Amino acid sequence: ETGVTQTPRHLVMGMTNKKSLKCEQHLGHNAMYWYKQSAKKPLELMFVYNFKEQTENNSVPSRFSPECPNSSHLFLHLHTLQPEDSALYLCASSQGEGEATEAFFGQGTRLTVV
Amino acid sequence: GQNIDQPTEMTATEGAIVQINCTYQTSGFNGLFWYQQHAGEAPTFLSYNVLDGLEEKGRFSSFLSRSKGYSYLLLKELQMKDSASYLCAVRDSNYQLIWGAGTKLIIKP
Repeated sequence: ETGVTQTPRHLVMGMTNKKSLKCEQHLGHNAMYWYKQSAKKPLELMFVYNFKEQTENNSVPSRFSPECPNSSHLFLHLHTLQPEDSALYLCASSQGEGEATEAFFGQGTRLTVV
Repeated sequence: GQNIDQPTEMTATEGAIVQINCTYQTSGFNGLFWYQQHAGEAPTFLSYNVLDGLEEKGRFSSFLSRSKGYSYLLLKELQMKDSASYLCAVRDSNYQLIWGAGTKLIIKP
């Protein structure tokens, strides 16, 4: 079983739809992250949760809404998205925010907005 | 602003050696990471440098010079499975990870 699991792997949604991305980590980590990865661009940090508390929101539009019910689960709720939001959405976890340890990534959700 | 620069794409031959460079300008420095990402898969951790010098891990080595804002990832005895994107990331003074756009490495037989 992989350390960080994301579902679904692929998602196609219309601009008026509401959908959610799910991330689960089995590593006992305390920090979880959402990243957006677009072709040929650096990873963009969207949200950070440390011990279930949101510690970072990098000016992300409100059509993206994160939820962290516990240290093992992270959701990204999507509504009224735009075509430019099509990208690979990666979840990651680490022992704790601010610690000099590596992050472990899930395989991502490939999102296409039509 | 903060910036990480690495080449967009490199090509190398199976069995050869390749060096992927990364230069950075960040507000503070708390370590540099290299990740490997195969197409359609998760980035996976390769190496971490916080002090100057060379860290060797099997066929892969990573070098850091903090005074020059420079790192490289050295891959030896290249194999076809090494075809992937290689991501450089720096942890700044706020412990935020600043990412490069990645270097796509193509290995030819």
